[in-house]
Formats: sequence, structure tokens, C-alpha cells
Amino acid sequence: RKEVEQDPGPFNVPEGATVAFNCTYSNSASQSFFWYRQDCRKEPKLLMSVYSSGNEDGRFTAQLNRASQYISLLIRDSKLSDSATYLCVVNLISNFGNEKLTFGTGTRLTIIP
Amino acid sequence: DVKVTQSSRYLVKRTGEKVFLECVQDMDHENMFWYRQDPGLGLRLIYFSYDVKMKEKGDIPEGYSVSREKKERFSLILESASTNQTSMYLCASGFIRYEQYFGPGTRLTVT
Repeated sequence: RKEVEQDPGPFNVPEGATVAFNCTYSNSASQSFFWYRQDCRKEPKLLMSVYSSGNEDGRFTAQLNRASQYISLLIRDSKLSDSATYLCVVNLISNFGNEKLTFGTGTRLTIIP
Repeated sequence: DVKVTQSSRYLVKRTGEKVFLECVQDMDHENMFWYRQDPGLGLRLIYFSYDVKMKEKGDIPEGYSVSREKKERFSLILESASTNQTSMYLCASGFIRYEQYFGPGTRLTVT
């Protein structure tokens, strides 16, 4: 089982629609969760952190479900500029006690006019 | 505004050559990271450094080494480049558990 797993998509969604992605993680001891955004041929950038209580930033809502070990990202009223690859990121603790951020392979989203 | 820069955007090298990829950050971060990104595999951690002259292996360190002589600079070295090291290389600085800031990437082609 992959440490962080995402549906690669692509998700092709009409402008104005709502879209949601999920991401599952394998290590129940993980403590930090993020969504990064990566535009085509650009570097990844932090979109938002994911808190236990869930959090919202404008049209974006992130949720964490520890019991089922997944995080989600909801985008409302999608814009053309939301077209990008969304990376799920989780901090994992190795068998040796080292921590690192582990990136999912990303979900590709295209917003259609 | 935070900034991570990488020495080259595109690089073409021959098999067997020694390759140096340089990364500089201006945020005074203690931690710096080297990743490679390949289609279908996502970002994979090669090495990271948590202080000057300190380094830790990531998930895929084989065939690579690193150097951190100054806090702001972290170099990735391919001792003898091979075709399977053709990839996008991304440097980052920041936190092991929290946000990391990425450079623009170096697309390396080994022929």
C-alpha cells in the first residue's frame, strides 16, 4: 500500500461547479497534513494546511478524518485559474523515528469554460 | 518574499558525467531538501540537510550525494550520471513537519 494515495484524475469540471478530492494515508501516527498546488511546469506551492477541526479559505475547504485516515479538499464555484495538479502531503514517521513530508502523486484538475 | 533559486532550469549531460545541481535559499531556514519528480511517482525525497554539514538520506539516495557548506546553499551531486537519473529535480527549504518552499526546478536529461 502506498504511503499517500490519490486518484490521479484527470477531473474535468465545468466552471462554477464544485469538485472534491480525497487522499488516504497509511501511517496513523501522522500529525501534519497539507494540500499543495502545482501548476503545469511550475514548482509546488502550499495551498492550505489541514487541521483536525477542518478549515476553510475562501472557496477551498479542507477536512481531516483520522479514523478513516483520509483528507479531503473541496473547491466551490470553481474558476479557470483553479486548473492545476493538487498534491496531498502528509508527514510520515519512519521505522527509525525520522519524520519527513511525503507527497502524493497528485490529482489533475481541469476547469472547462 | 521567500525565495529558493536553482542554478539551472534545463541541463543536458552525458552518461558518466559528474553533475552538480545548486540550490540557494534566502529565508535562513535550517532545513533544505532535494526531491526528484517523475510522472506517476510524484515527488520523492533524495536527501535532506538539517544544518550546515549535516545530511540525512531520503527515500532514494542511491547514485546521489549532497553538500551543505553554508546555511543558504545545498548542492546535489550525481557522481556518475545515468539515464535513469533523467528527471525534474526540485530543491526546497523549510520545515520537516510543516511548510516547504520550492525552487523552480531543474529538468535534467542524461543521454
